[in-house]
Amino acid sequence: GNSVTQMEGPVTLSEEAFLTINCTYTATGYPSLFWYVQYPGEGLQLLLKATKADDKGSNKGFEATYRKETTSFHLEKGSVQVSDSAVYFCALRLEGSNYKLTFGKGTLLTVNP
Amino acid sequence: KAGVTQTPRYLIKTRGQQVTLSCSPISGHRSVSWYQQTPGQGLQFLFEYFSETQRNKGNFPGRFSGRQFSNSRSEMNVSTLELGDSALYLCASSLGRGEQFFGPGTRLTVL
Repeated sequence: GNSVTQMEGPVTLSEEAFLTINCTYTATGYPSLFWYVQYPGEGLQLLLKATKADDKGSNKGFEATYRKETTSFHLEKGSVQVSDSAVYFCALRLEGSNYKLTFGKGTLLTVNP
Repeated sequence: KAGVTQTPRYLIKTRGQQVTLSCSPISGHRSVSWYQQTPGQGLQFLFEYFSETQRNKGNFPGRFSGRQFSNSRSEMNVSTLELGDSALYLCASSLGRGEQFFGPGTRLTVL
């Protein structure tokens, strides 16, 4: 079946540190890949996406590259801020007959001043 | 443009009762999906509705059901509640098969 594995949290960083959250996937077809962010007490917000191999998604200083050869979609940011503290979810969606999002377990990021 | 709204935001029920949650999608969006979020299982897909028809269904027991109305608003119902149904229930809407926009969720606690 389809699945997403992302690094266990929590991750604690100091402001301006470099962030990497690893994400790998297993899929029977050619998925689109997503990173969602969830701030405390809120729903999910789409952070970035990539729909095919070698695509790079980027938003708000975050980046992730769709690597088909390693089935990965790692999230990176060069300099985190306190306001980036949230839970981050990696997800995949197979186009075609099944439209559902399959999520990883989520990674809690805490950024200290 | 108003976002996805879910009501109620918080709900407390006891085992054996039933519950109905409501989701109003973004205006013009015809697809509504539901997800259950728990600490143990994470985010799991429940079902998706498009133009009043269930298009996809996840691996949940028949106690979980849903429907969509002609104005695209959706409801999900859980009958014979169990302790394990305590979760955050998230609704997402989209234009057909485009980006999904999530609501703030309904926090259900079963005692």
